[in-house]
Amino acid sequence: NAGVTQTPKFRILKIGQSMTLQCTQDMNHNYMYWYRQDPGMGLKLIYYSVGAGITDKGEVPNGYNVSRSTTEDFPLRLELAAPSQTSVYFCASSYSWTRPNNEQFFGPGTRLTVL
Amino acid sequence: AQTVTQSQPEMSVQEAETVTLSCTYDTSENNYYLFWYKQPPSRQMILVIRQEAYKQQNATENRFSVNFQKAAKSFSLKISDSQLGDTAMYFCAFMKHASNTGKLIFGQGTTLQVKP
Repeated sequence: NAGVTQTPKFRILKIGQSMTLQCTQDMNHNYMYWYRQDPGMGLKLIYYSVGAGITDKGEVPNGYNVSRSTTEDFPLRLELAAPSQTSVYFCASSYSWTRPNNEQFFGPGTRLTVL
Repeated sequence: AQTVTQSQPEMSVQEAETVTLSCTYDTSENNYYLFWYKQPPSRQMILVIRQEAYKQQNATENRFSVNFQKAAKSFSLKISDSQLGDTAMYFCAFMKHASNTGKLIFGQGTTLQVKP
């Protein structure tokens, strides 16, 4: 199993550009999450999904959109990039929210810089 | 709203010694999960240990153990026999049991350096 994969690993955007961060998991997990990590800080939840076709906002959803058309994929869309979106983005997945299956598995992250 | 606080931005320990990382949280929930995640320089987040609030027994995983004090809302991580590979940022995280969503709330993190 590859686990959770994210592309790209690095990206530099200009202010006002748009992009999609890709996230794929091959563990048949129902739950998927997008977090952002600002320098020296903890992770903050952007959006999450509890299954295909179901998404909801987390703590910091402004400026982002998501979709979940399949169990495997959970792309994060940035519209009109702003310097405040400079961060490292992590995708995560879990089979459930209860034990023993509530461990979240994380992807390697995407470092995004908006200039 | 739940909050998680890690009051030690940086810590260091000598190899083979023991170190304790602190975490406090604020919640009105009675049932929840608590986690410690490790983020080494590679950036990969790895689960270290987890605790269910309704279990009084402290969780242990090899050299890692927790001191869970529910009334004090404290959840510290003890690393015994520290190894160079333990050098990483450590995050404490909270998950509400009743949320049905698995949403994690993270603390700010503690950077741990293990010195040879």
